[in-house]
Amino acid sequence: DAKTTQPPSMDCAEGRAANLPCNHSTISGNEYVYWYRQIHSQGPQYIIHGLKNNETNEMASLIITEDRKSSTLILPHATLRDTAVYYCIVRAGGGSNTGKLIFGQGTTLQVKP
Amino acid sequence: KAGVTQTPRYLIKTRGQQVTLSCSPISGHRSVSWYQQTPGQGLQFLFEYFSETQRNKGNFPGRFSGRQFSNSRSEMNVSTLELGDSALYLCASSLEGVKNIQYFGAGTRLSVL
Repeated sequence: DAKTTQPPSMDCAEGRAANLPCNHSTISGNEYVYWYRQIHSQGPQYIIHGLKNNETNEMASLIITEDRKSSTLILPHATLRDTAVYYCIVRAGGGSNTGKLIFGQGTTLQVKP
Repeated sequence: KAGVTQTPRYLIKTRGQQVTLSCSPISGHRSVSWYQQTPGQGLQFLFEYFSETQRNKGNFPGRFSGRQFSNSRSEMNVSTLELGDSALYLCASSLEGVKNIQYFGAGTRLSVL
């Protein structure tokens, strides 16, 4: 699975959009970009994933660059409850490694009032 | 639908003892993965079980073992506990397929004294 690089920390004002970047320059054609977050001492929570098209769900939007070497997770209206560590993970969508996630250090997002 | 359930939530053991942690996956999920989270090493993959067989294994010593039952419930065992085994142990289950979204439990917090 390709390696990802994320900034260690970011701040965001409550009510504003939070844009979390992720670099994955060695991503392969069959690898998806997944985002998870972990609120303090809880289990990680799935947010969104995508292959090459932009994706949106009720939690967030995922923008993947055309060359797929980087992506941005967007929380459109951040709240204090969005304060968490956000992990960007690149992995193949299927196959025998389906149950294995390789977590990096992630980005600690602090949403401030 | 009930989420991933891990028991117990907290556990205190002494060095040299052994411990067994339990995980009940989401109904219908056949893949169960285990992770260890420590402040120093972050989230690390331990192993994955699918249909009662270990499918993937992380880089942990043989003191860490697991198994999966026919109802997909899983247990992990750590023998001869060391102080460094103090960690949050997380279990995740997933449905086979391209999406491969892992759903995490709340974890078991193990303290080794």
